[in-house]
Amino acid sequence: AQSVSQHNHHVILSEAASLELGCNYSYGGTVNLFWYVQYPGQHLQLLLKYFSGDPLVKGIKGFEAEFIKSKFSFNLRKPSVQWSDTAEYFCAVPATGFQKLVFGTGTRLLVSP
Amino acid sequence: SQTIHQWPATLVQPVGSPLSLECTVEGTSNPNLYWYRQAAGRGLQLLFYSVGIGQISSEVPQNLSASRPQDRQFILSSKKLLLSDSGFYLCAWTGPPNTEAFFGQGTRLTVV
Repeated sequence: AQSVSQHNHHVILSEAASLELGCNYSYGGTVNLFWYVQYPGQHLQLLLKYFSGDPLVKGIKGFEAEFIKSKFSFNLRKPSVQWSDTAEYFCAVPATGFQKLVFGTGTRLLVSP
Repeated sequence: SQTIHQWPATLVQPVGSPLSLECTVEGTSNPNLYWYRQAAGRGLQLLFYSVGIGQISSEVPQNLSASRPQDRQFILSSKKLLLSDSGFYLCAWTGPPNTEAFFGQGTRLTVV
């Protein structure tokens, strides 16, 4: 069954530091990948998604992710984080014929001003 | 535009009492519907999903059940709550296969 793993459970950065959150998926066929974000007190929302084409995907708020098929990875990056990026980040992959969405365990990011 | 409503936002229930959480979607038809539980350090655990009326798939054995009596209504239930049922429950929907999921605001359930 398809699954995703996120290696960093808690990340603490200072403002302006660069960010990279790891995400690895298990399925080796056609894959589509998502990153979701949950800001404190808010509902989950889509940050970016990869379906096909350019493996470097741009999302909202300056985030990007690179799909590397050979490494089964879809890491999330941001060159310079801001205090407002403090949130929990989830990687997700569709499973079971795209009928459901399976999430990783999440990464809590704390950006100190 | 599509919207998803989930209620109540918070709920405190005694052990052994029944549970009913409701989720409705507006502005779309035949959505895939999902119930997730979010726990610290465990991410989002998929509990149930439904691809149509009366069609429920259970992901993990548990004290909960789900039903889909109408196309855009998804209900999470329990006959007798356990302390371990406490958590944050999220309803979500997707449109055509492989599209993004949209989440409700969640219900914080505390079983006492």
